[in-house]
Amino acid sequence: TQLLEQSPQFLSIQEGENLTVYCNSSSVFSSLQWYRQEPGEGPVLLVTVVTGGEVKKLKRLTFQFGDARKDSSLHITAAQPGDTGLYLCNHNAGNNRKLIWGLGTSLAVNP
Amino acid sequence: EAQVTQNPRYLITVTGKKLTVTCSQNMNHEYMSWYRQDPGLGLRQIYYSMNVEVTDKGDVPEGYKVSRKEKRNFPLILESPSPNQTSLYFCASSFSSNNEQFFGPGTRLTVL
Repeated sequence: TQLLEQSPQFLSIQEGENLTVYCNSSSVFSSLQWYRQEPGEGPVLLVTVVTGGEVKKLKRLTFQFGDARKDSSLHITAAQPGDTGLYLCNHNAGNNRKLIWGLGTSLAVNP
Repeated sequence: EAQVTQNPRYLITVTGKKLTVTCSQNMNHEYMSWYRQDPGLGLRQIYYSMNVEVTDKGDVPEGYKVSRKEKRNFPLILESPSPNQTSLYFCASSFSSNNEQFFGPGTRLTVL
């Protein structure tokens, strides 16, 4: 089973701080997705990265896909309480096959 | 409105009493999945389906059954629930496993 390791597992910061969370594997990904899950709800897609070295921005969120396509990072600038949630990464094990998810990073942004 | 619906949202039952959790999507998606989410263990895929009449085991299929007789529906069946199946369950759908997964609102199941 291809595993996805996410770090840190928990993160509690003050509003306005910057942070980076990571998603790593020993295997090469064809693509990788980042999701955010708020308490009591299902995960919602933030971004899909496909190309090694790719950088995508979504407002204050910056996603990077490693050159070797084995790792990815999510950087949040000037975090806000609305960023609080569980950040998950996933990839699929092959065409239309099962999906592999990391355990997630639980982020709390305190006002 | 494009959505994935699950029912029931909350269920408390007893060991051994068969139950079904329904899942339906209105986006004509081919790929559907069931997950359970437990503290410290993350999202784990139970079963997935690539299309009608095609289902495969995920990482934790023991104790569960699924069927995909129609494209829109993907029910999860627990023939004889046990307390270790107490969990938060999510259904999800997408055009394929490479595409955005759309999740249902979740079903919180407690087995006494």
